[in-house]
Amino acid sequence: AQRVTQPEKLLSVFKGAPVELKCNYSYSGSPELFWYVQYSRQRLQLLLRHISRESIKGFTADLNKGETSFHLKKPFAQEEDSAMYYCALKGGATNKLIFGTGTLLAVQP
Amino acid sequence: EAGVTQSPTHLIKTRGQQVTLRCSPISGHTSVYWYQQALGLGLQFLLWYDEGEERNRGNFPPRFSGRQFPNYSSELNVNALELEDSALYLCASGVARGSSNQPQHFGDGTRLSIL
Repeated sequence: AQRVTQPEKLLSVFKGAPVELKCNYSYSGSPELFWYVQYSRQRLQLLLRHISRESIKGFTADLNKGETSFHLKKPFAQEEDSAMYYCALKGGATNKLIFGTGTLLAVQP
Repeated sequence: EAGVTQSPTHLIKTRGQQVTLRCSPISGHTSVYWYQQALGLGLQFLLWYDEGEERNRGNFPPRFSGRQFPNYSSELNVNALELEDSALYLCASGVARGSSNQPQHFGDGTRLSIL
């Protein structure tokens, strides 16, 4: 079964501390993985996709097929990073996104 | 460039009624996706339309239906509303099917409340 697991509902860190938002997936084929972010009072927006191997707003995410993980990392958290983060998997020809339950990141001053 | 637009923003209905939600995709996008975000259940895939046809549907009863028009805009219809249909309904658009790793872009959603 296709599944995305985000084990932490809430992650609270201090400004300047490293951040790692965990995401594990279950999928038999070659997955397409994304991180979406929702800032307060804003729409859900794409942050990263694994194929791009890019860094957006200082965030990176590496696909680890052996551990079936796609953790989101940032070396130094900023207060403006506070938001809800969703990991999503797109599997096969169905094109649907399967979302994790999300992690609320709270960056304290 | 305008993003995905949804209307209305909020809607209040009673049990048994019917509702229609609307979505306009980003210009150039031919696919429209509908998701339900109910409290405690997360984002659940509802429907996918591309080039005017339903391509896939999630695990929802048949009273959830929709259509896509020639201009690629879409409607989501829900009949015989039940209390558990109270949720935020999100529409997303994307490029044509078969394009791998193309992201979906989301609208602000329609908040549906069933009394």
